[in-house]
Amino acid sequence: RKEVEQDPGPFNVPEGATVAFNCTYSNSASQSFFWYRQDCRKEPKLLMSVYSSGNEDGRFTAQLNRASQYISLLIRDSKLSDSATYLCVVNKGGSYIPTFGRGTSLIVHP
Amino acid sequence: GAVVSQHPSRVICKSGTSVKIECRSLDFQATTMFWYRQFPKQSLMLMATSNEGSKATYEQGVEKDKFLINHASLTLSTLTVTSAHPEDSSFYICSARTSGAEGYGYTFGSGTRLTVV
Repeated sequence: RKEVEQDPGPFNVPEGATVAFNCTYSNSASQSFFWYRQDCRKEPKLLMSVYSSGNEDGRFTAQLNRASQYISLLIRDSKLSDSATYLCVVNKGGSYIPTFGRGTSLIVHP
Repeated sequence: GAVVSQHPSRVICKSGTSVKIECRSLDFQATTMFWYRQFPKQSLMLMATSNEGSKATYEQGVEKDKFLINHASLTLSTLTVTSAHPEDSSFYICSARTSGAEGYGYTFGSGTRLTVV
């Protein structure tokens, strides 16, 4: 089993739709979780950290489920500018070393 | 916020030559820098973790003699691809761990697209 797994997609949704991505991780000792956004041929940029209690930032909501070892990202009211690849990042248990999922591609169309 | 400057952004080199990629933390000290490689439509694969003043830790399968990492100061880490071959063509990107009021995260350089011909 890969350390961090994501459905590569693409998720093709209309503007205004709500879309959710999941990411599973294999190391139960992992303590830190992030969602990054990567545009084509660019570097990844932090979208949001994922906290145990869940957290929201505008149209974006992140959740952590430790029991099932997955994190999720919900995007409400999708915009064209949300089109990108969303990378799930999980730290190797007990360290600061980040492990990336392969990313989920989102395409928002008019 | 924290900025990591990576150069060059794009390089084309002949097979057999060496290429050096630099990453500088501009407004903070980066004791640890991560080096990644990303092939098209693939995830970022960690190559090595470099720590200032000590030897880098390489991931399994990454040749330390081919990918030389130097982290001589708190603001500069370099990756040298030695005797590059076409299969080394990829997107190389560095990342530094940064901390702030809301905890820590990772700031990335803008990446280097290496093409070996």
